[in-house]
Amino acid sequence: AQSVTQLDSQVPVFEEAPVELRCNYSSSVSVYLFWYVQYPNQGLQLLLKYLSGSTLVKGINGFEAEFNKSQTSFHLRKPSVHISDTAEYFCAVKPTGNQFYFGTGTSLTVIP
Amino acid sequence: ETGVTQTPRHLVMGMTNKKSLKCEQHLGHNAMYWYKQSAKKPLELMFVYNFKEQTENNSVPSRFSPECPNSSHLFLHLHTLQPEDSALYLCASSPGTANYGYTFGSGTRLTVV
Repeated sequence: AQSVTQLDSQVPVFEEAPVELRCNYSSSVSVYLFWYVQYPNQGLQLLLKYLSGSTLVKGINGFEAEFNKSQTSFHLRKPSVHISDTAEYFCAVKPTGNQFYFGTGTSLTVIP
Repeated sequence: ETGVTQTPRHLVMGMTNKKSLKCEQHLGHNAMYWYKQSAKKPLELMFVYNFKEQTENNSVPSRFSPECPNSSHLFLHLHTLQPEDSALYLCASSPGTANYGYTFGSGTRLTVV
């Protein structure tokens, strides 16, 4: 089975600073990769996804992620964060089949 | 609103109660899912329905019983739950079960007392 590791459970960052949220997964077989964001008291919202093609994927709200096959990573980045980016972020991996595998989440707190 | 609506938003139930969670989507999606979200744990897939047929049951205890009467509605019937079943229950839908991302509902916060 796949495993998804989000190394940082909490990331505090000052407003307008850059941020990187890390995600590594276990399998080297072909997978699809996703990042989701969860605001308080809400469900998960898709930020971006990698299916194929360019390894740099741009998503909503100024986020982007880079797929690195050799390192089995899919780190999420934003060059300048806003207060409104405070939320929980989940990395997810989908090998062939129905099953998504989610990480345990990274809580991003943007400090004014 | 994401297009996936879950009711109720909050539910407190005793261990001997019977209750149901409801999920509704009008996105034209054919696949629907139940997930359990517990603090500091990965989301746990519970059930998958594709074109109203259950295609996956991830070893979920029988005190959780899903029902999918049509592609737009999904229920989770609950009975004789345990306190450790307290969690956020998320419903999601997708066009199919291939490489699509999900659209999630806002969840039902369940507390078992």
